[in-house]
Amino acid sequence: AQSVTQPDIHITVSEGASLELRCNYSYGATPYLFWYVQSPGQGLQLLLKYFSGDTLVQGIKGFEAEFKRSQSSFNLRKPSVHWSDAAEYFCAVGSYGNKLVFGAGTILRVKS
Amino acid sequence: GAGVSQSPSNKVTEKGKDVELRCDPISGHTALYWYRQRLGQGLEFLIYFQGNSAPDKSGLPSDRFSAERTGESVSTLTIQRTQQEDSAVYLCASSRDRGVNYGYTFGSGTRLTVV
Repeated sequence: AQSVTQPDIHITVSEGASLELRCNYSYGATPYLFWYVQSPGQGLQLLLKYFSGDTLVQGIKGFEAEFKRSQSSFNLRKPSVHWSDAAEYFCAVGSYGNKLVFGAGTILRVKS
Repeated sequence: GAGVSQSPSNKVTEKGKDVELRCDPISGHTALYWYRQRLGQGLEFLIYFQGNSAPDKSGLPSDRFSAERTGESVSTLTIQRTQQEDSAVYLCASSRDRGVNYGYTFGSGTRLTVV
């Protein structure tokens, strides 16, 4: 069965510092991988997705993620965090025809 | 519509009452999904619709939960005899077609509080 692990429940970074949010997945076939962001009181917004091809994918708001098959990971990164990036981030895995399975989320706090 | 619309945005109900949550998907989106998000937890899949049929109901936690969809339009999630553990945010998403590769668009959710 598919599963997603986000090891960090909370992360605090200083504004302007770099960010990496970890995501590990379990799936037997080639996965489709996603990162979503949820701001307080808002629905989930898609940041980026990986289906195939280049393992480094670029998303919105300056985020990127790298798919590493050998490590079953899809970590999200941003070189310089802004205060507006404070939110909860969800990693998800799925495949064609199947539903998305989400991780428990990582809450990002940004300190000025 | 331009996005996925859910109503009400907040609902407080007494234990034992029935509640109905509504989802209006994006026009033309054939696939519709319901998820539940409990405090501090990830999204938990409830049910998936393709058109007005539900090929995957595997996530419905008990027979108190049911859902229906009218054609490729509105969906209603009904919870009967609500319990305190039903308190959560219920999120709806729609997609142009079956398959995660088409991308989900989420609504803002309904926050249900059972007191």
